Parts: sequence; structure tokens; C-alpha cells
Amino acid sequence: NAGVTQTPKFRVLKTGQSMTLLCAQDMNHEYMYWYRQDPGMGLRLIHYSVGEGTTAKGEVPDGYNVSRLKKQNFLLGLESAAPSQTSVYFCASSPPREGSNTEAFFGQGTRLTVV
Amino acid sequence: GNSVTQMEGPVTLSEEAFLTINCTYTATGYPSLFWYVQYPGEGLQLLLKATKADDKGSNKGFEATYRKETTSFHLEKGSVQVSDSAVYFCALYGQNFVFGPGTRLSVLP
Repeated sequence: NAGVTQTPKFRVLKTGQSMTLLCAQDMNHEYMYWYRQDPGMGLRLIHYSVGEGTTAKGEVPDGYNVSRLKKQNFLLGLESAAPSQTSVYFCASSPPREGSNTEAFFGQGTRLTVV
Repeated sequence: GNSVTQMEGPVTLSEEAFLTINCTYTATGYPSLFWYVQYPGEGLQLLLKATKADDKGSNKGFEATYRKETTSFHLEKGSVQVSDSAVYFCALYGQNFVFGPGTRLSVLP
């Protein structure tokens, strides 16, 4: 009964370092999303995917890349971290918007600090 | 594009008080509407949802009605508890999930 699992839960990076955040879901959902949460700004969509092998830009994609090589996994990469990327990152998944049972399921979040 | 506006917080209430958190949206077509709740240190959890106009979503004493004519989905609870202290997010699902900025609720004993 894992749902959506994010790794790692916490990370501190130095400016210019790179890292990858992993999101895994076991609900066979087609859609997956990466959001960042900053104080007073709610959740902002970084990138999303509507199926294996597909990705699309969200509201704030600059400085991030993503890949969806397997349906159950959605990776978020930071090639050269900047202090402005200090945030809490949430992954979510959902079925397509058809029918009344659609909702987004969230992971527990990754708290990233860039110093 | 689609957007969600909700009342600014924080909101501080005494236990057993009535709660209203306003939410309005802008969207093309007919989105589904949601309220999510985030407890400290956790991810977002679905609280309730409504998928078409005039639908009422309800859960744990919370209610919200999908009002197409006023493009609103206000969250209400008749008697809040200390355990309801959390951040509440209004959201819509059109092409993507779009979230409001969140409203922090603190309930005092």
C-alpha cells in the first residue's frame, strides 16, 4: 500500500551541484507531476507527464529536467543547483481525468536546501 | 490559463467555531474541484471533491459545493477541532492540477 514514494526525503546541495529526485508510484497511473512548494505561493507545477516516454513543461520548468522511462517512475533532475531552488518538492500521480474517481495522490515531499 | 484564488491566511479560530475558507477559480470548460489538506511535515491528502456543477463534496464534517454560476468552491465546517489545524488547498483539474496558495488554519483549544 505504498502509493507515491519520493526519495530522498532531505538533501543539502552546494551551488552548482547536480542531483536527481526519484518518484515511484504503484497505482498504475498514467499521469505524474512534479511540484515545488514555497511559502505563500502554494504548489507550482514544474513538469508533468501524461504517459511513459512523454514529458511536458509546467509553470516553472527552468533549471529542471525530467524523464519518464518507466510508467511507474518520474525523475526530476537539477543539473546545476541554485539557491533559488531551495524548496519542498512534491511528486503526484493521477489517472486521466475521466470519470468521477480522479484525484491526485501525493508523495511525502523532498526538502531540498541549496547553499 | 486556469487559476485558483483562495482567501489569505492565516485563519485562527477557537474550537467549535464555524469555518469558511473561500475559493474561486478561473477555467475553461468544466474542471473538477478539490480541497486538499496538508498536516505539518506531510504531503497533501484529498479532503473532498466535486466533479460537476451543484455537486457537494463532504468528508470529516467538511463540505463544499461546486457553484458554476459564481465559479466558487468554498470550504465550510460547522464546528472545528484542534486536530483540524493544517494548511488547506483548493485545486482544480482541467488539463492539469492547479492549486491555490493555501490557507493555514490554526484552531485553539
